[in-house]
Amino acid sequence: GAVVSQHPSWVICKSGTSVKIECRSLDFQATTMFWYRQFPKQSLMLMATSNEGSKATYEQGVEKDKFLINHASLTLSTLTVTSAHPEDSSFYICSARDRLADTQYFGPGTRLTVL
Amino acid sequence: GENVEQHPSTLSVQEGDSAVIKCTYSDSASNYFPWYKQELGKRPQLIIDIRSNVGEKKDQRIAVTLNKTAKHFSLHITETQPEDSAVYFCAASMRSSELVFGKGMKLTVNP
Repeated sequence: GAVVSQHPSWVICKSGTSVKIECRSLDFQATTMFWYRQFPKQSLMLMATSNEGSKATYEQGVEKDKFLINHASLTLSTLTVTSAHPEDSSFYICSARDRLADTQYFGPGTRLTVL
Repeated sequence: GENVEQHPSTLSVQEGDSAVIKCTYSDSASNYFPWYKQELGKRPQLIIDIRSNVGEKKDQRIAVTLNKTAKHFSLHITETQPEDSAVYFCAASMRSSELVFGKGMKLTVNP
């Protein structure tokens, strides 16, 4: 299947700092990328949909000023958690939609720990 | 919007037995139904998917069935092996839209 990379795989930061997570589709063009958050033993919760060249669409309850999303190219989307707090600690997973195959592939995830 | 229900939430089987996971969806416009397997701390991996123009799809020990009238779809795993132990998520979507996931089912295959 198609490959989606995510960087970093884990990060530990102090409260109040910002963290940027990158999501890349390595062998296909992804006009749409999705950002999910997953708490332990729970399902994936969609945070936002990122379309190349346009503003992201955020799900209800997700603060767009806190979770900044940029989808600058057909292979890269970034999620920046601004002024992170301990409650933002979670597993963040991106997925990219292969436009031709109309299938979503997930990145390996980023485990964020805010101290 | 779409709502996906998945059950059971946990299932334990003996190696070699079959396992069935059932999901229901609410939006009749949904036409794409993938299944993902997620091992602890890893990414969800697409294992099989089905589109609304077919009723059944099989890939070796895995099969998925879709009943559009009843709005439910199921994953069947035959001859289970310990490495099948994981959390399985069903999902539904309309073309080009976001996936809506079920809550997941933890499958344990006992040797």
